[in-house]
Amino acid sequence: GAVVSQHPSWVICKSGTSVKIECRSLDFQATTMFWYRQFPKQSLMLMATSNEGSKATYEQGVEKDKFLINHASLTLSTLTVTSAHPEDSSFYICSARGTGGRWRGELFFGEGSRLTVL
Amino acid sequence: ILNVEQSPQSLHVQEGDSTNFTCSFPSSNFYALHWYRWETAKSPEALFVMTLNGDEKKKGRISATLNTKEGYSYLYIKGSQPEDSATYLCACTPGTDSWGKLQFGAGTQVVVTP
Repeated sequence: GAVVSQHPSWVICKSGTSVKIECRSLDFQATTMFWYRQFPKQSLMLMATSNEGSKATYEQGVEKDKFLINHASLTLSTLTVTSAHPEDSSFYICSARGTGGRWRGELFFGEGSRLTVL
Repeated sequence: ILNVEQSPQSLHVQEGDSTNFTCSFPSSNFYALHWYRWETAKSPEALFVMTLNGDEKKKGRISATLNTKEGYSYLYIKGSQPEDSATYLCACTPGTDSWGKLQFGAGTQVVVTP
C-alpha cells in the first residue's frame, strides 16, 4: 500500500508550549486527512477532518482553537496543539484518503505520535 | 456516532490454533465496516472493507464475515502464527459522505505463543 509518514513519533514538552505534528502522504495525494487521538485503554477517536485549501471540520467537543489544523498542500497536514497541558497527553494519529489514481478513496494511516506534556 | 464494540479485549493463542473474535455495531445507520491489523510502533494496516450483508472476505489465513442485519462481524485467523500477534481493530463508517471518518472499537489484542 501507500505510505503516510507522521512526525515526530514521540514528543515531550512543557506545559504551556505548542507542539506541531506533521502528517505527510509520501507517494499519493490526499485532499482529505483525518486526525485521531487515543487515550490509554480507549478507542481511537476522530478529532477532525483536514481539508486541503479550506478549514478543517472538528468533531463535537474538540476545541478548534486548541488543535490547529493546516492542510496547505495535497500531501501535508499539520496538527498543532497550542498551549499544551498535561490533559492533552495522548497518542495522536492521522490517516489520509487517496484523492486520485490507484489509491483513490483508500485510507492509509501514519505511525502515530505520542505526546507527553509535563 | 456509532457505538462499536470488540470482544474479547485480548486473547492468547497457541501457534497453529485457529481463533476468532467479534466486532458489534448498531445495525442502523451503517455503511461500511473496516478491519485493521495494528502492530506496535507501526501504522494500522487495512485488512478488509465490507459493506454488504453476508459479505465474506479472505486474505491468506485471515478471513472476515459481515452481518449488517444483526450488527456484527467476525474475524478469523486460521493456523495462528507468531507474526499474527497484533491488535485487530474494527471500525465503522456511517455513510458515503463520511468515508474516512471511522468510528473505532477498542481492539482485540492477539498474542500467539510458539
